[in-house]
Amino acid sequence: AQSVAQPEDQVNVAEGNPLTVKCTYSVSGNPYLFWYVQYPNRGLQFLLKYITGDNLVKGSYGFEAEFNKSQTSFHLKKPSALVSDSALYFCAVRDVSGGYQKVTFGTGTKLQVIP
Amino acid sequence: DGGITQSPKYLFRKEGQNVTLSCEQNLNHDAMYWYRQDPGQGLRLIYYSQIVNDFQKGDIAEGYSVSREKKESFPLTVTSAQKNPTAFYLCASSPHTTSNQPQHFGDGTRLSIL
Repeated sequence: AQSVAQPEDQVNVAEGNPLTVKCTYSVSGNPYLFWYVQYPNRGLQFLLKYITGDNLVKGSYGFEAEFNKSQTSFHLKKPSALVSDSALYFCAVRDVSGGYQKVTFGTGTKLQVIP
Repeated sequence: DGGITQSPKYLFRKEGQNVTLSCEQNLNHDAMYWYRQDPGQGLRLIYYSQIVNDFQKGDIAEGYSVSREKKESFPLTVTSAQKNPTAFYLCASSPHTTSNQPQHFGDGTRLSIL
């Protein structure tokens, strides 16, 4: 069975400081990994994904994530946080081993950027 | 612009009533999904459909039903058997269920009990 852990319910960071939102995963095969952002009363918006290749993935709005196979992690990062980045962030994983594999979502991390 | 439309945005259910949530997509995606979101629990899969006229139960299908008569549409019915229906419901789609492409989400329907 696959799983995703987001160990922090909330992350607070000052505007202009770097931010990190943590994600670890467990799959039996190779993973597809995704980050999404959700604003209040809205659906999830896709930020970035890791499929294969370069371990550092760049996505929308200046976000990036680093795939670390040995630590089974896929932490989301941004060099300089904006107040508008305040939202709920979800990490998700799909095991790529054949056939239908559902996407498993983490429980979400609320990011609060303090002016 | 292509996307997913969910309606209504807010819905209230009376005791013993079935209610239906609408989900329409114009992305030409084969796969569609319904998720339930509760605070602190992330997204839980209710049902998914890989193709027209086919759908499968997800992790929490009890008390829910779906149909997939058209590629564009995947309505969810919350039946009276679902005793705790208050939640935020999200519909999503992807090109197909084995795709490495992300899921596209609608803006959700918030269901409450009257």
